[in-house]
Amino acid sequence: KNEVEQSPQNLTAQEGEFITINCSYSVGISALHWLQQHPGGGIVSLFMLSSGKKKHGRLIATINIQEKHSSLHITASHPRDSAVYICAHRALGETSGSRLTFGEGTQLTVNP
Amino acid sequence: DGGITQSPKYLFRKEGQNVTLSCEQNLNHDAMYWYRQDPGQGLRLIYYSQIVNDFQKGDIAEGYSVSREKKESFPLTVTSAQKNPTAFYLCASSKTGEWGTQYFGPGTRLLVL
Repeated sequence: KNEVEQSPQNLTAQEGEFITINCSYSVGISALHWLQQHPGGGIVSLFMLSSGKKKHGRLIATINIQEKHSSLHITASHPRDSAVYICAHRALGETSGSRLTFGEGTQLTVNP
Repeated sequence: DGGITQSPKYLFRKEGQNVTLSCEQNLNHDAMYWYRQDPGQGLRLIYYSQIVNDFQKGDIAEGYSVSREKKESFPLTVTSAQKNPTAFYLCASSKTGEWGTQYFGPGTRLLVL
């Protein structure tokens, strides 16, 4: 069982819709990452957070440490947001630098 | 521009052949990582290195080898002992320490002939 569970696995939306992707994890963490993987395979880091909320443009990431849960929201979604969104965490006590554990990803498709 | 590069984009391996995937970064990062991605699975760590001339096995190191002779370079060799090498391979780098965001290369897709 993966330590990081994402839902949904696949999500299809219409342009302009508000989108939420969820991430749950089972261990104590020091940081949680949200990443975006484009259709060509390249991965970009969107957020790194350990508490509260972060916003960048139309993207918002939140985390609840007590509930071991994080969400990624996309407001006013656009077809260019279509990608795989990946949640990853760095466990507490992890001594090997920035070693991360990854979820399986959520495939988002936004239709015009 | 600073970044991380991988080559080649596509690589074909014959039975019994060793192949080497290149990863180079000019971000002055101490830590580098190799991941394998298979359909429907999260990224899995193969090897990582936190400093030159030192590297550690990840979760799926069997059938792979690495070297870290220079800070900028972390090549991955897929040996003939890796029986199921077809996958997408991603290299990443980061500053060391707890808050190091990882920067990823574009990936290499390895296919077995």
